[in-house]
Amino acid sequence: EVQLVESGGGLVEPGGSLRLSCAASGFTFSNAWMSWVRQAPGKGLEWVGRIKSKTDGGTTDYAAPVKGRFSISRDDSKNTVFLQMNSLKTEDTAVYYCTTVRGSNLQYFQYWGQGTLVAVSS
Amino acid sequence: QIVVTQEPSFSVSPGGTVTLTCGLSSGSVSTSYYPSWYQQTPGQAPRTLIYSTNTRSSGVPDRFSGSILGNKAALTITGAQADDESDYYCVLYMGSGIWVFGGGTKLTVL
Repeated sequence: EVQLVESGGGLVEPGGSLRLSCAASGFTFSNAWMSWVRQAPGKGLEWVGRIKSKTDGGTTDYAAPVKGRFSISRDDSKNTVFLQMNSLKTEDTAVYYCTTVRGSNLQYFQYWGQGTLVAVSS
Repeated sequence: QIVVTQEPSFSVSPGGTVTLTCGLSSGSVSTSYYPSWYQQTPGQAPRTLIYSTNTRSSGVPDRFSGSILGNKAALTITGAQADDESDYYCVLYMGSGIWVFGGGTKLTVL
């Protein structure tokens, strides 16, 4: 059974940093593309960014609102993907979901974690 | 700026059929955007319903179907049930590693 378990959320002041983790199990993590999707309170889903598998280059892409502030990395030895969030703004307040990505000719989010809440407030 | 459009809300009677759509603020949606659809109930993580326009994800009942209708992607629910009352999101792949979600449709079954 595929499991994605996010952690690291919490309350942070504007301008601060936070690092989210997503521990994966139930599939071959090193082959997987991974993504982060967020949802502000009472709002819709917003794609944040994606990291490819190392065999596919390990490259990252980001949505415009977070580009230059957020970065995604992975540790295949720990089956974990990370979201480093810097220069946080109040509008980054959201539940952050970790997902697997089926790339190539599919391009969709296959499995989802339960999410971790990030609150940016003074 | 690319905007993916969805109806903010829709209602359907139990047993009825409803079609939700997913469009672009400029241009037409085609299979090249790999439209996918997700269902979310309050307090829960999204669930994948449809990918690559019309392929149902594992375990999704066949009353859910996807298609291209005119210049939009579409999600059709045939024989709606009470537990289909949820928020539905489409997402389009824009190329170059970028996805854009629609604003979501709140579906009421009554």
